[in-house]
Amino acid sequence: KAGVTQTPRYLIKTRGQQVTLSCSPISGHRSVSWYQQTPGQGLQFLFEYFSETQRNKGNFPGRFSGRQFSNSRSEMNVSTLELGDSALYLCASSPIQGGNSPLHFGNGTRLTVT
Amino acid sequence: KNEVEQSPQNLTAQEGEFITINCSYSVGISALHWLQQHPGGGIVSLFMLSSGKKKHGRLIATINIQEKHSSLHITASHPRDSAVYICAVKITAAGNKLTFGGGTRVLVKP
Repeated sequence: KAGVTQTPRYLIKTRGQQVTLSCSPISGHRSVSWYQQTPGQGLQFLFEYFSETQRNKGNFPGRFSGRQFSNSRSEMNVSTLELGDSALYLCASSPIQGGNSPLHFGNGTRLTVT
Repeated sequence: KNEVEQSPQNLTAQEGEFITINCSYSVGISALHWLQQHPGGGIVSLFMLSSGKKKHGRLIATINIQEKHSSLHITASHPRDSAVYICAVKITAAGNKLTFGGGTRVLVKP
């Protein structure tokens, strides 16, 4: 089985722009969750999608949003980028919602905001 | 105070040594994950625990629900075990959101 695929791997954007990141889960996995990793804050939960519905959301401003498609692929969008949004964005998939099953992570998208 | 605390933050060991990483949490949880992150960013899920003990190869993870504490042990450590190890918990009162510890950076010298 193919693993979790995140695209693009690297991205450079300017303050004020918006960005869309993509995550394709393992075939058959219906839950996709997103995380932000920075040197200062470590790993933080952004949101979780299951069956095209957001099931859980972390403490991030409304500039961070996401969606999930009927094939379970997910996108996250960050609007009006700020320098502090520079981070590694990771997604993970699992077969069931809520996460009492192992998570399978993608390699991440490294976003740099200048 | 962070809800999930890991210790130590950094650890250096000689090849072959036994390594222990600790994770303490202050809230009720439904599950605890141990993750491994190598340079470059990719994260691998090592264990998911809700009680007891699990073993996979040279890795052992234990959890004590009453004491709100988990440990990850690496037996016969090897340089390829050099990575950051991260503890994460699903907090039941927070809709099972995953909350992460700060990570333990492990370096195993040959």
